[in-house]
Amino acid sequence: AQTVTQSQPEMSVQEAETVTLSCTYDTSENNYYLFWYKQPPSRQMILVIRQEAYKQQNATENRFSVNFQKAAKSFSLKISDSQLGDTAMYFCAFMKHAPETSGSRLTFGEGTQLTVNP
Amino acid sequence: NAGVTQTPKFQVLKTGQSMTLQCAQDMNHNSMYWYRQDPGMGLRLIYYSASEGTTDKGEVPNGYNVSRLNKREFSLRLESAAPSQTSVYFCASSVWSGGDQDTQYFGPGTRLTVL
Repeated sequence: AQTVTQSQPEMSVQEAETVTLSCTYDTSENNYYLFWYKQPPSRQMILVIRQEAYKQQNATENRFSVNFQKAAKSFSLKISDSQLGDTAMYFCAFMKHAPETSGSRLTFGEGTQLTVNP
Repeated sequence: NAGVTQTPKFQVLKTGQSMTLQCAQDMNHNSMYWYRQDPGMGLRLIYYSASEGTTDKGEVPNGYNVSRLNKREFSLRLESAAPSQTSVYFCASSVWSGGDQDTQYFGPGTRLTVL
C-alpha cells in the first residue's frame, strides 16, 4: 500500500514571497503519478499541478512548480509571488498506474494549511 | 458544463436513519469515486466505479453501499447511519485520455452530520 506524508500541518507566508510545501511518499511502484490539490474555504478540491513519475522534468503551472525527486520519494510544491487567494489547505496525492478498467485511485496526505498574509 | 454535481450540500441524520448521496457528472467520464474527508485528514476512498456496470471497495467501505446507475450517475447509500460517519463526502470522476490515466475532478462535497 502507498502512503503519503505531509510533515507541515500549517505554514504562513507574506504576500508576494515564495513558499515551499513538502510531501514524501512511500511506494514500491515504478510507474505512478503525483498531484497537488488545493482546498480553499469553499471546500472545493482544485487541481494545482500534476507530475508523471516517468518524466524527469519538473512540472510547472504559472506560479506553481514542483521539485520531484524520485529516488528520495519527495514531491514538494513551490508557490512563487504568493497571493491572498492562495490561502487554502494543500493536499499531496499519489496515484499508481493501473489499467483503464481499474480506475485511478488517489491516496492523499494529511494536508498543509497555508495562510498568505497581507 | 456543470462538471461534477452533488446533492444534497448539507444533511443532518439521526443514528440509524438511512440516506442516499447523489453524484452526477456531465463530462462523459468513465470512472467515478466516493471519498470521505474527516477533520485533520486527507480524503479516503470509500468506493469507486472504474466503468459503467462495475463497482469496487476502496479503503473504508464498511457501512456504505454504492450504485452506478448509468455512466453519468454514481450514488452512495448509508443504510443505518452512525456518528462515525459524520464527515464531508466528495464525489469525483476521471477518464483515460491518450492511453494515460487522467486527473480526477471533484464535486463540491456534502457535509453530513449524524447525531
